[in-house]
Amino acid sequence: KAGVTQTPRYLIKTRGQQVTLSCSPISGHRSVSWYQQTPGQGLQFLFEYFSETQRNKGNFPGRFSGRQFSNSRSEMNVSTLELGDSALYLCASSLESTQETQYFGPGTRLLVL
Amino acid sequence: QQQVKQSPQSLIVQKGGISIINCAYENTAFDYFPWYQQFPGKGPALLIAIRPDVSEKKEGRFTISFNKSAKQFSLHIMDSQPGDSATYFCAVKAAGNKLTFGGGTRVLVKP
Repeated sequence: KAGVTQTPRYLIKTRGQQVTLSCSPISGHRSVSWYQQTPGQGLQFLFEYFSETQRNKGNFPGRFSGRQFSNSRSEMNVSTLELGDSALYLCASSLESTQETQYFGPGTRLLVL
Repeated sequence: QQQVKQSPQSLIVQKGGISIINCAYENTAFDYFPWYQQFPGKGPALLIAIRPDVSEKKEGRFTISFNKSAKQFSLHIMDSQPGDSATYFCAVKAAGNKLTFGGGTRVLVKP
């Protein structure tokens, strides 16, 4: 089985722009979670989607949003980018919303200039 | 509010030695305690995990020790190898699928 794939792998944006990141979970997995990884704050949970519904949300501003499609693929969007949004954005998938094992993708590295 | 405190931040160990990483948590509602391994340029990968009804779990050279009363758990890497050089994260999970991670430990195994 193919693993979790994320596109694009690298992205450079300027302040004020918006960005959309994509995640394709492992085939058959229905839960997709997003995490932000920075040197200062570490790994932080953004949100989780299951069956096209947001199930959990972390403590991030409303500029961070996401959605999930009927094929379980997920996108996250960050609007009005700030320098502090520069980070590695990781997507993780699991079979069900309560399944414990989450499989991470390689991440999308976003640089905001 | 730091829910999971991980130590040390970095660790250097000789090949064949034992690496020990510790995590402490505050919320007794957590019921799943995984450890993840991350190599540069890669996403975290699940290494080993434990539930609070077990005090120890071993998988190959990796062992989790869990102390429920102290609200602490640790990862022991036996016979450390250069290929184990990576960053290790502990995490906790309550109901739902949200993982809360520790700050990470960078492990360097010297040959």
